[in-house]
Amino acid sequence: KQEVTQIPAALSVPEGENLVLNCSFTDSAIYNLQWFRQDPGKGLTSLLLIQSSQREQTSGRLNASLDKSSGRSTLYIAASQPGDSATYLCAVPPGGGSQGNLIFGKGTKLSVKP
Amino acid sequence: SQTIHQWPATLVQPVGSPLSLECTVEGTSNPNLYWYRQAAGRGLQLLFYSVGIGQISSEVPQNLSASRPQDRQFILSSKKLLLSDSGFYLCAWSPGRAAKNIQYFGAGTRLSVL
Repeated sequence: KQEVTQIPAALSVPEGENLVLNCSFTDSAIYNLQWFRQDPGKGLTSLLLIQSSQREQTSGRLNASLDKSSGRSTLYIAASQPGDSATYLCAVPPGGGSQGNLIFGKGTKLSVKP
Repeated sequence: SQTIHQWPATLVQPVGSPLSLECTVEGTSNPNLYWYRQAAGRGLQLLFYSVGIGQISSEVPQNLSASRPQDRQFILSSKKLLLSDSGFYLCAWSPGRAAKNIQYFGAGTRLSVL
């Protein structure tokens, strides 16, 4: 059974710092991996989708990498801003090459202090 | 452009009362639709998903049910709410199978069962 773990559960950094959020999954035979952002009391917003054949995806100050063999992904945020404060979740399909529904980690709650 | 609407935004209901949460998608046809629950301290849990009108798949046994009476309408219901049904409910859609496509989320409904 696919399990997704995100470390750390919470992170507080001063504005301007570069930071890395981690996501690990137990079944490395995934179809792709997605990173989402959730603001307090709001729905999720898709940030990046990495296909299994890709090693990384970039969007603005965000860079997500994928290492399938080790079952890991990282979300790198450059020059963090207070507006980046939110919970970041990663999600993968069930594994075994399945195209089934996503399984989410519990998220990393990021706080960027001005 | 596609939009997803979810209502109500917040709801306070007594134990034993019925529930109906509605989700509609605009700007697309034949979307895959999903209901998730996010409880405090827990990850995002998939409750139901639908690949077409009248087609509902349940991921976990529970006190809830879902229906899809129209192509772009997804309803989450309960005949008698339990305290454990409290949580943040999110509706989402994807243009195809979840593993291959980005999921787009509604703003969520905060349900408090008292």
